[in-house]
Amino acid sequence: NAGVTQTPKFRVLKTGQSMTLLCAQDMNHEYMYWYRQDPGMGLRLIHYSVGEGTTAKGEVPDGYNVSRLKKQNFLLGLESAAPSQTSVYFCASRGKGGEQYFGPGTRLTVT
Amino acid sequence: SQQGEEDPQALSIQEGENATMNCSYKTSINNLQWYRQNSGRGLVHLILIRSNEREKHSGRLRVTLDTSKKSSSLLITASRAADTASYFCATATSGTYKYIFGTGTRLKVLA
Repeated sequence: NAGVTQTPKFRVLKTGQSMTLLCAQDMNHEYMYWYRQDPGMGLRLIHYSVGEGTTAKGEVPDGYNVSRLKKQNFLLGLESAAPSQTSVYFCASRGKGGEQYFGPGTRLTVT
Repeated sequence: SQQGEEDPQALSIQEGENATMNCSYKTSINNLQWYRQNSGRGLVHLILIRSNEREKHSGRLRVTLDTSKKSSSLLITASRAADTASYFCATATSGTYKYIFGTGTRLKVLA
């Protein structure tokens, strides 16, 4: 039981490049979330999904897209990376009691 | 900003002392949760308190919730060096599946 996994762990992009972050969970959870964490800002919700085939916007969705084609996977895409998207990205899934289980994070630097 | 606020931002105590941190939030909630984050790692769920509960215990953790003041406190008793981490509160907004995280309290426990 791996819980929530994220790939890659680190990535450096040049401005304008695109990439996809993958989140996978093996707990059969319906709800999944993508957050970004910046120094002194706590976690901010980017997008979330309440089930396979559904997505919804969070607090800071601009510049990101997501897809939930399979229940266990939640993908976060950056179509044209900007330096303001330099951050640590966390994926989480939600258990039946409302608690969230977090992945280890992806550290992204955009130059 | 929709984010909650934690107080204090940083706290340094001696091993064996108690640590108290506070969280204030802005919206009506279903529940409030506390998470721990060790440096460079993902968040780990500690405890969840529902909006109709006033106090909850889990091991050395005690959480209180005052919905009239929109505030919560986390007490860690008999702290240990291993408790050194950042602590975040997260609120589940009523009527949504979204979570709003506070800005965190950095706790340092000195051996």
